[in-house]
Amino acid sequence: EVQLVESGGGLFQPGGSLRLSCEASGFTFSNFWMHWVRQVAGKGPEWVARIHRDGSNPQYAEYVRGRFTVSRDNGKNTLYLQMYSLTVEDTAVFYCVREAELARAWYFDVWGRGTQVTVSS
Amino acid sequence: EVVVTQFPATLAVSPGERATLSCRASQDVGSRLAWYQRKPGQAPRLLIYNAYTRATGIPDRFSGSGSGTEFTLTINSVQSEDFAVYYCQQFDIWPPWAFGHGTKVEVK
Repeated sequence: EVQLVESGGGLFQPGGSLRLSCEASGFTFSNFWMHWVRQVAGKGPEWVARIHRDGSNPQYAEYVRGRFTVSRDNGKNTLYLQMYSLTVEDTAVFYCVREAELARAWYFDVWGRGTQVTVSS
Repeated sequence: EVVVTQFPATLAVSPGERATLSCRASQDVGSRLAWYQRKPGQAPRLLIYNAYTRATGIPDRFSGSGSGTEFTLTINSVQSEDFAVYYCQQFDIWPPWAFGHGTKVEVK
């Protein structure tokens, strides 16, 4: 079964840092671009970051650039999101998402269940 | 940046009825649009890609239509397990591949 399982969420202080992990199983992880998407309660999902199959070319949404770092370890089938200088606005559910080619275009075809990150003093 | 708008925000339907959800993109995105279903505590599920192609394992009561800037997700004969929040997302213009804010399908 194709699966993505996020971990690392919890309650954090403003200004703090954390690292989210996403363990992939059921497919060849190194064959896929991977993304992080977040969703604030009551709002639509927002794209956060993505990384190439080989770990190169990380890209970020403007609002997290310089504070978040996406990386991956293909030997461990794991995607990471290192988050620094947390603010209360970072409170959200963070999803790990697989990008796949379907109908000669790219789509998000597999999602994890998400991990809740709450930033509060 | 493309803005994606969904309406209505909430749709109340009775089991067995048809539900029609709308999604509008601020720019032409061709047919590069997907629909997802999200239920509490579950991973979001891809329902439709390429505007009208059902993803693997998706029941045929779900259908997508539209192109350009106007898109529709139709659920024929809504089942109890279909009460959820539905999102659309455009995949034509990067970055980012913007999402709509969702339509909640609830029991009338």
